[in-house]
This record gives sequence, structure tokens and C-alpha cells, in this order.
Amino acid sequence: DAKTTQPPSMDCAEGRAANLPCNHSTISGNEYVYWYRQIHSQGPQYIIHGLKNNETNEMASLIITEDRKSSTLILPHATLRDTAVYYCIVRVAGSGGSNYKLTFGKGTLLTVNP
Amino acid sequence: DAGITQSPRHKVTETGTPVTLRCHQTENHRYMYWYRQDPGHGLRLIHYSYGVKDTDKGEVSDGYSVSRSKTEDFLLTLESATSSQTSVYFCATVADTYEQYFGPGTRLTVT
Repeated sequence: DAKTTQPPSMDCAEGRAANLPCNHSTISGNEYVYWYRQIHSQGPQYIIHGLKNNETNEMASLIITEDRKSSTLILPHATLRDTAVYYCIVRVAGSGGSNYKLTFGKGTLLTVNP
Repeated sequence: DAGITQSPRHKVTETGTPVTLRCHQTENHRYMYWYRQDPGHGLRLIHYSYGVKDTDKGEVSDGYSVSRSKTEDFLLTLESATSSQTSVYFCATVADTYEQYFGPGTRLTVT
């Protein structure tokens, strides 16, 4: 799986958009970009994933650059409950148990301030 | 959250005793995983299962065994617990659309 690089920490004001960047310059054509978050002491939570098109769901939007070497997770109206560590993960698609294994890096600690 | 429960949620045990952690899911997902999370290491895969009675090792499998006799249950056993196995353990399953869902975790302390 391709390696990802994220800033260790970011701050955001409550109610504003939080934009979390991720670099994955070695991504290959069959690798997806996944975002998870972990709120203190809880299990990681799936947020969104994409291959090459921008994606949006009820939690967030995912913007992937045209060359797919970087992406941005956008939380449109951050709340205090969005304070968490956010992980950007790149993994290959396909069947088989080992292909679903997620490799978590250190992620970005997003702190939403009142 | 894919209906994942873990038991116990907290456990304190002594070095050398056997410990079994249970993961239970209600979504009939085929794949299940056990991770451990330690400060400075992030989440690391211990074992995973790709079906009933089909399991394989992850990156930190030494000292752990697993069993899956039913689709819904995935057990993680520490045959003889050591202090280095003090950690938070997370179970996860994979949905048909490939995203993983995690349980609430089990905090294990080995004294």
C-alpha cells in the first residue's frame, strides 16, 4: 500500500470548514483513498473513501487531485465533537482478507475550538 | 457501526494467565480483524479471518491465537499473558463496499 503523509495537528474554529490534507504521491491506479477518524478512547470510525472522483456523504467531502497524488478531507461545519485523530489510508481494492488490512499511520489531530 | 460488540470492555489480569477476548458482529460480514493500539505505534494487525475456520496472521501475531467457529464470533486468545500485551484491542469487520467498521475496544491490563 502506498505511504501517506499528513500534518501531525491542525486547529479549526467551531462552525468553520475543516480541511485536512493528505499526500500520497506513490499511489497506484488500483488504490483507494480512505479516511477514518478516532475520537479519544473509541474505535476508529469510517468516514469516506474514493478512487479518483470527488465524493460526498453525510459526514464529509473527499477531494482527490487529478493526478491522485494528494487529497483533502473536508468537514463542512466542524463541531466540538469532530475533535479527533484523522487517518488517511491508501489501500488496494480487491478480494481476499489481506487486501482489507488497514495500515494506520499517526494521522492528524484535529482540534475544534469554540 | 456494523453491530460490533466486544467483551469484556475492560480486564485486568496477571502475567501468565490465559485471556480470551470476544468480538461479536450482527451483519454477517465475512472478514473480521483483531488490532491492538499502543501509544506511539498506532493500530497494528494481530490476526484476521476470511471465513469460518479460516484465519491468518497479521504483523504482530506472536503470543496470540484466534478462532472463528461461527460467522458472527471471532475470539482472540492470549495463551499466557505478558505485560507487553497490555493494550487496547479493537475488532473490525469489512462491509461489502470495503470499508472497515470497528468495535468499541477492550482495554486489557496485564500486571
